[in-house]
Amino acid sequence: DTGVSQNPRHKITKRGQNVTFRCDPISEHNRLYWYRQTLGQGPEFLTYFQNEAQLEKSRLLSDRFSAERPKGSFSTLEIQRTEQGDSAMYLCASSVAGTVTDTQYFGPGTRLTVL
Amino acid sequence: EDQVTQSPEALRLQEGESSSLNCSYTVSGLRGLFWYRQDPGKGPEFLFTLYSAGEEKEKERLKATLTKKESFLHITAPKPEDSATYLCASISGGYQKVTFGIGTKLQVIP
Repeated sequence: DTGVSQNPRHKITKRGQNVTFRCDPISEHNRLYWYRQTLGQGPEFLTYFQNEAQLEKSRLLSDRFSAERPKGSFSTLEIQRTEQGDSAMYLCASSVAGTVTDTQYFGPGTRLTVL
Repeated sequence: EDQVTQSPEALRLQEGESSSLNCSYTVSGLRGLFWYRQDPGKGPEFLFTLYSAGEEKEKERLKATLTKKESFLHITAPKPEDSATYLCASISGGYQKVTFGIGTKLQVIP
């Protein structure tokens, strides 16, 4: 069990550019989540997958954000036309479906800085 | 809309000085209450899940408790390595959305 991994760990980009982040969940975890965390705040839910199906999206997820999990394994989060307000830590978590309340295990995050 | 409120926002303790962190929640149909620890620049690390009022869980110097309106994280005889931000989160409803509080930043001074 190598834990949830995220790449890259840090990304600096200019306003208007597109960025893509990758998350590899714990193997055998069929649920995958994306969160955004800004300084001094708790993580905010963005979206959630069960296998390859995207089952829930927050209204925080504007049209510029898209997430995929094509084969029910890794996931990508793309932000198009980045804005300075997108600067944050993007966290991925995974869990196993089938319990009353799934425990979500988090990755180290990708810190995005938009200049 | 679910709300999770943590207090205090920051807490400074001397090594060995026990204390409690509070998490109050307004959640419709609570299914679970999580506690996580987060070190600077890292992802949250899972500590506990509590499911029903009256439940308690312990791990080393930490003990989490749950009532119908709030949860407490008790820290007994803390050490400097316990310094971190402690996050509380609720899960409710028929899906997997988790609502986090802003956390309590704990500093333990030697």
